Amino acid sequence: SAVISQKPSRDICQRGTSLTIQCQVDSQVTMMFWYRQQPGQSLTLIATANQGSEATYESGFVIDKFPISRPNLTFSTLTVSNMSPEDSSIYLCSVEDIFYNEQFFGPGTRLTVL
Amino acid sequence: SQKIEQNSEALNIQEGKTATLTCNYTNYSPAYLQWYRQDPGRGPVFLLLIRENEKEKRKERLKVTFDTTLKQSLFHITASQPADSATYLCALTNTGNQFYFGTGTSLTVIP
Repeated sequence: SAVISQKPSRDICQRGTSLTIQCQVDSQVTMMFWYRQQPGQSLTLIATANQGSEATYESGFVIDKFPISRPNLTFSTLTVSNMSPEDSSIYLCSVEDIFYNEQFFGPGTRLTVL
Repeated sequence: SQKIEQNSEALNIQEGKTATLTCNYTNYSPAYLQWYRQDPGRGPVFLLLIRENEKEKRKERLKVTFDTTLKQSLFHITASQPADSATYLCALTNTGNQFYFGTGTSLTVIP
């Protein structure tokens, strides 16, 4: 299993600003994933972050809005840029245990944009 | 378009009964399907995985079936308990190891 922590756990931000969310894993992993979960909704995959290469974004998500860094095998950041109230959501990072094919999720970052 | 749909409404059942949750998908060819549990304010927690060539998988009080012809998975909780109350999510994984989650079903087990 993997233990994942995220910072911050929650934040309230002003429209037009940016927020960087950190994700730390207690073991080295190849792939990390970033999801968004809007109130009352399921999880939507934003992008897949591999160490040493650019992140792969899902349809509807672009690098300018959600830049991702993956400097090493235990850490990643997601930035939500030029925020609007529509970006209010929970943002979760996860990693995959390739051997057991299960995902482990962080506790999430609850973002509110005013 | 691709869709993953679960029980459209919240599910309420009496303690001790079997809860059955459905997951239907269209325009996916998943390598395997997973079920997760999510409690309020927390990230999802993995429960079970079933592969495309498996019909059924069990773990304690949980049972999952996978019908690739019907494009459907059923998730059963037997002898349900109030502690089983949560939102349950199904997720499909393609060969690219990307996960796509269903809409989720909120289950409430009434004592």
